[in-house]
Amino acid sequence: NAGVTQTPKFQVLKTGQSMTLQCAQDMNHEYMSWYRQDPGMGLRLIHYSVGAGITDQGEVPNGYNVSRSTTEDFPLRLLSAAPSQTSVYFCASSYIGLADYEQYFGPGTRLTVT
Amino acid sequence: KQEVTQIPAALSVPEGENLVLNCSFTDSAIYNLQWFRQDPGKGLTSLLLIQSSQREQTSGRLNASLDKSSGRSTLYIAASQPGDSATYLCAVTRSGYSTLTFGKGTMLLVSP
Repeated sequence: NAGVTQTPKFQVLKTGQSMTLQCAQDMNHEYMSWYRQDPGMGLRLIHYSVGAGITDQGEVPNGYNVSRSTTEDFPLRLLSAAPSQTSVYFCASSYIGLADYEQYFGPGTRLTVT
Repeated sequence: KQEVTQIPAALSVPEGENLVLNCSFTDSAIYNLQWFRQDPGKGLTSLLLIQSSQREQTSGRLNASLDKSSGRSTLYIAASQPGDSATYLCAVTRSGYSTLTFGKGTMLLVSP
């Protein structure tokens, strides 16, 4: 049981490049989400999904795309990277429909856009 | 819009002290509140989850309380140790959703 995994751990992009941050969980969680963490801003929700084929926007969705084709995977795509997207990105997952909504986080991806 | 505030932003204490971290939220319509720990350069580790119908949860030296009506939670750490040094984050979920709204955290340093 690996929990929530994220790849890569570190990435440097040039402005305008695109890339995909990978997130996978092996706990059969319906709910998955992406957050970004910036100094002084805390963690902010980018996108989330309540199941395969269902996604919705969070607080800061601009510049990011997501899709959920399987329960296990929830990739985050940066279409045209900008320096403002330099951040640490965390993926999280949890069950839905049970009393305990405890969320589990991945180790994060540190992204620098130059 | 839900806002979560954590006070203090930073705290430095000598080893052995009992301490309290505070979390407040503006909208009392929460489903649960979760406390996390984050070590530098690492991800978030869940410490305690309190459902809105509960008043407190305990795990080892940690005790978290929730007063939903006043919009407050406290995390009590007994007999602090240098290994407790980390940033502690509080987050709430709205009823029916799992999206978390986070505070900005309290950075704790426990010196030997």
